[in-house]
Amino acid sequence: NAGVTQTPKFQVLKTGQSMTLQCAQDMNHNSMYWYRQDPGMGLRLIYYSASEGTTDKGEVPNGYNVSRLNKREFSLRLESAAPSQTSVYFCASSGGAPAGELFFGEGSRLTVL
Amino acid sequence: AQSVTQLGSHVSVSEGALVLLRCNYSSSVPPYLFWYVQYPNQGLQLLLKYTTGATLVKGINGFEAEFKKSETSFHLTKPSAHMSDAAEYFCAVFVTGGGNKLTFGTGTQLKVEL
Repeated sequence: NAGVTQTPKFQVLKTGQSMTLQCAQDMNHNSMYWYRQDPGMGLRLIYYSASEGTTDKGEVPNGYNVSRLNKREFSLRLESAAPSQTSVYFCASSGGAPAGELFFGEGSRLTVL
Repeated sequence: AQSVTQLGSHVSVSEGALVLLRCNYSSSVPPYLFWYVQYPNQGLQLLLKYTTGATLVKGINGFEAEFKKSETSFHLTKPSAHMSDAAEYFCAVFVTGGGNKLTFGTGTQLKVEL
């Protein structure tokens, strides 16, 4: 049982390049999330999708777009990467009971030069 | 809006000593509270949770936490630290009607020394 799978695990970009982080879950969860983790700042929510077909902004959405492709997949896109987007990105999913219990992927480490 | 404060970004204990990681929350309605653990180069995993009912909750690996409404606290404890407990620990709060969003604290790095 894979749980939450993120790809790629590592990526180096130049400023202005674009890329998409992929996330898939096999737990039949309704809700999916993208967080970024930076030293001393904990995890900050970028976007989330409460159910298939819906997406909402989190705390730090600027510079990102998301697509909930189907119930399993939730992708995060950087259209024009900036050095400030250097971070570790985590995808998570939740089945809703109890609310707030999230299952995380192993993370994607992105460096923007 | 809800928020979480973790006191101490780094905590160091000796192996066999008590572990105490502090968490205070702010919420205008009864919260659900969580502790997550992150081992190096891994994602977060749930350690324990409080939703309703008994205020002392037990989690994996011998950890427990007590919900104290009067103190708005949810401190994490373990009677005897083990080397394998070295990790980063995150407290988090979820409030129903808050847009299905989990709010995390900034984390506490636990170091266990021989």
